[in-house]
Amino acid sequence: DAKTTQPTSMDCAEGRAANLPCNHSTISGNEYVYWYRQIHSQGPQYIIHGLKNNETNEMASLIITEDRKSSTLILPHATLRDTAVYYCIVRVEGGGADGLTFGKGTHLIIQP
Amino acid sequence: GAVVSQHPSRVICKSGTSVKIECRSLDFQATTMFWYRQFPKKSLMLMATSNEGSKATYEQGVEKDKFLINHASLTLSTLTVTSAHPEDSSFYICSADWGVQETQYFGPGTRLLVL
Repeated sequence: DAKTTQPTSMDCAEGRAANLPCNHSTISGNEYVYWYRQIHSQGPQYIIHGLKNNETNEMASLIITEDRKSSTLILPHATLRDTAVYYCIVRVEGGGADGLTFGKGTHLIIQP
Repeated sequence: GAVVSQHPSRVICKSGTSVKIECRSLDFQATTMFWYRQFPKKSLMLMATSNEGSKATYEQGVEKDKFLINHASLTLSTLTVTSAHPEDSSFYICSADWGVQETQYFGPGTRLLVL
């Protein structure tokens, strides 16, 4: 079973910030939080990952709570092309021998 | 990030035939690649881990004789669906870890339809 829980679906208005929550209350000390998204009929796309500090890249920001039991992915200015299923996954960084365990993810729908 | 490609992007075959799907790491070497399967409206499920130069490791419930994996080079892994049946129709996706942080990057997927 996936070690994360996410809302099934969310709506967000185009141009607004999309905030996607994820709970990972059983995360281990050496596990990172990874975010991927999957646009319909495509392979998953890596977005961002982090351990305990907040992270930002050209796609998104990742906010991890101090106790690391939850996190939020922020898409600062959502566009229609951001409509996708977003997956929050915990994994040991450098866990090259392990595949990823996908939960059901959050279906984010950006409304025009 | 890294680029992973798959070929073909989609394939239709008759029941009982075998289908080969290729997964390539285009700008890096991958000693380990992963194969996933995704049924409609479902999440990706890990099928197997492909190891260069050695046997693949299969997840519980995945038949190794039906889903043959070959990882003959550091940039190519193949998945062969043998004696395909309609229930094998699915979206097959491969991935590989890249970089110092070994972030996993995915291919675009191959949609298989068995008639």
